[in-house]
Order: sequence, then structure tokens, then C-alpha cells
Amino acid sequence: GEDVEQSLFLSVREGDSSVINCTYTDSSSTYLYWYKQEPGAGLQLLTYIFSNMDMKQDQRLTVLLNKKDKHLSLRIADTQTGDSAIYFCAESPDGSSNTGKLIFGQGTTLQVKP
Amino acid sequence: DGGITQSPKYLFRKEGQNVTLSCEQNLNHDAMYWYRQDPGQGLRLIYYSQIVNDFQKGDIAEGYSVSREKKESFPLTVTSAQKNPTAFYLCASRLTSGTQQRTEAFFGQGTRLTVV
Repeated sequence: GEDVEQSLFLSVREGDSSVINCTYTDSSSTYLYWYKQEPGAGLQLLTYIFSNMDMKQDQRLTVLLNKKDKHLSLRIADTQTGDSAIYFCAESPDGSSNTGKLIFGQGTTLQVKP
Repeated sequence: DGGITQSPKYLFRKEGQNVTLSCEQNLNHDAMYWYRQDPGQGLRLIYYSQIVNDFQKGDIAEGYSVSREKKESFPLTVTSAQKNPTAFYLCASRLTSGTQQRTEAFFGQGTRLTVV
């Protein structure tokens, strides 16, 4: 079945790197996404990775994809207090691409301590 | 600017009442979704619609109803049959037709519903 798992909480100090991990079950997903949610707000797309890539870097963000283990990670370099938020991993299995049914993880709350 | 708008931001409901949450998008997206968010449970899909006048139940549709009379609008009604409606509700839209391959979802800012 379709399932996305994330750890619920991560705490880091300002300036350190943060690594948020995600596992998914459906290997047919063409794209995998990371969304950020600030308190009381909707989700914003942070970054994405195409399934034939192993790594994608975008400024302070690095996404690593291990298709064999169905493992996705998001690394935030030089973490700032403004990065404190909930981060969601999401996949869109190709079998449901016409429905656009995005499957989300539970979200990882990132706490950045000054 | 194109976007997706939810209203109201906060909504209070008395027990036994139906309430309707609004979701409007001007992105010309064909698919629209309603999610419910509870602490520590991520996003759970309530209903989704791929085209006008058609919609499907998600994982937790009981106690909710929707309509899709216009492409731009996908209102959600929380009925009195929903026993635990207090939650944060998120609407999203997505382009699923055409040649664009990457079709991420765009989200509204959410409606926080509280039963009083």
C-alpha cells in the first residue's frame, strides 16, 4: 500500500545542519516533494526531486534519494531560527497520477535553538 | 496574482450545526483536494475532485460533503454527522492535465474549525 513515514521531531542549534528523513513505499512515484508549514499556515513547496536523480542541491537545501531503500532526506545547512517549522515529505504514485493523489508523511517538527 | 484562497481563517461551530468552508483558486488547476490536519497525524485526505461535477471520497470522508460546480471552487461542508470536527482544514489544487510532468500541489492558508 501507499505509506510515507517520518520521524516526528528534530531539535538542532542555530548554525548546525539539520537532516530530516523520510521513507516511502511506492516505487512508482515520479517526483518526491518536501513541503514546509509554518505555524497556522498552509504548506509551501520547498523543493522536489525527480525519481531518476540521486541528489539535488538548492542553496542551503540538499535532497538525497535512495531508490533502492525508498529513503529520502532533506538536509538544511546553516540552520536558522526561521527554519523552525513542520516539514512534510510527499510522494505521488504514478498509479494515481491522474487523481493527483499526493501521499504525505506525518510531518517532522524542526525546532531551532539559538 | 494567481493563488488559492480559503475562508474563513477561523470558524466556530455549535454542536449539531453544519458549516461550509470555502476554497477558491484562480490557477486554472483541474484537481482540488481537502485535507484535515490534526497534531501529530499529518494530512489526511477527505475528498478530492479531478473535474467539474465529479469528486471522490478520500480516506476520512464520513461526516463531510463537497461540491464542484465550478472549476475554481470546491467548498467543503462539515455536517453534524462528523463527531470530532475540531481541526485545521487545508485545501489544495493541482494541475493534472496537459504535458506538464511536475505537478506539485498548491495549498491555501487553512481554516481552523472549532466546535463550541
